[in-house]
Amino acid sequence: SQQGEEDPQALSIQEGENATMNCSYKTSINNLQWYRQNSGRGLVHLILIRSNEREKHSGRLRVTLDTSKKSSSLLITASRAADTASYFCATDEESGYSTLTFGKGTMLLVSP
Amino acid sequence: GAGVSQSPRYKVAKRGQDVALRCDPISGHVSLFWYQQALGQGPEFLTYFQNEAQLDKSGLPSDRFFAERPEGSVSTLKIQRTQQEDSAVYLCASSFSSSHNEQFFGPGTRLTVL
Repeated sequence: SQQGEEDPQALSIQEGENATMNCSYKTSINNLQWYRQNSGRGLVHLILIRSNEREKHSGRLRVTLDTSKKSSSLLITASRAADTASYFCATDEESGYSTLTFGKGTMLLVSP
Repeated sequence: GAGVSQSPRYKVAKRGQDVALRCDPISGHVSLFWYQQALGQGPEFLTYFQNEAQLDKSGLPSDRFFAERPEGSVSTLKIQRTQQEDSAVYLCASSFSSSHNEQFFGPGTRLTVL
């Protein structure tokens, strides 16, 4: 079963614009991770935010986490055509063996 | 190697055939995970190894699915008597420790069952 729900399911923007994707989950977590997947390729890890963190930055990426609302957001600033991909949030639950529970993903299209 | 590798990258099987999918994790990584990704969906957990021990196989969809990691490095996911619903991308991931850290994914094996 999938825990996370990404919103929106699809997002189409122009190069240079910002893209925001949201993720909601259901259980208590140890951390939340965002991954990118290009068509036909494997998953690339983008950023990990732990349950005691509220915000994290990595280059053009900004992730927020609100454990009271069980939600996270991923912001990509100054998007590029190369950012076109599917983006998944994955939760690592407090209990268990660090297995990740993924959402269905947001498909981002950045047009030149 | 620099990353997680999987082979074959693509596999076409006739219904009823057995298949074996291989994963080479990053050297020294203790944890190894298998996930199944159906078209248009996110990956779903299948099974987890810590070294050679299979600690969680709760995600395996049926007893036709079997995974092993006998020496704590390379892992094989075997599917017996494949069915059409087994068609998916099978992803392997490894992680340095058993703590809650990032997982590094391989490119996946796309299995098509005819």
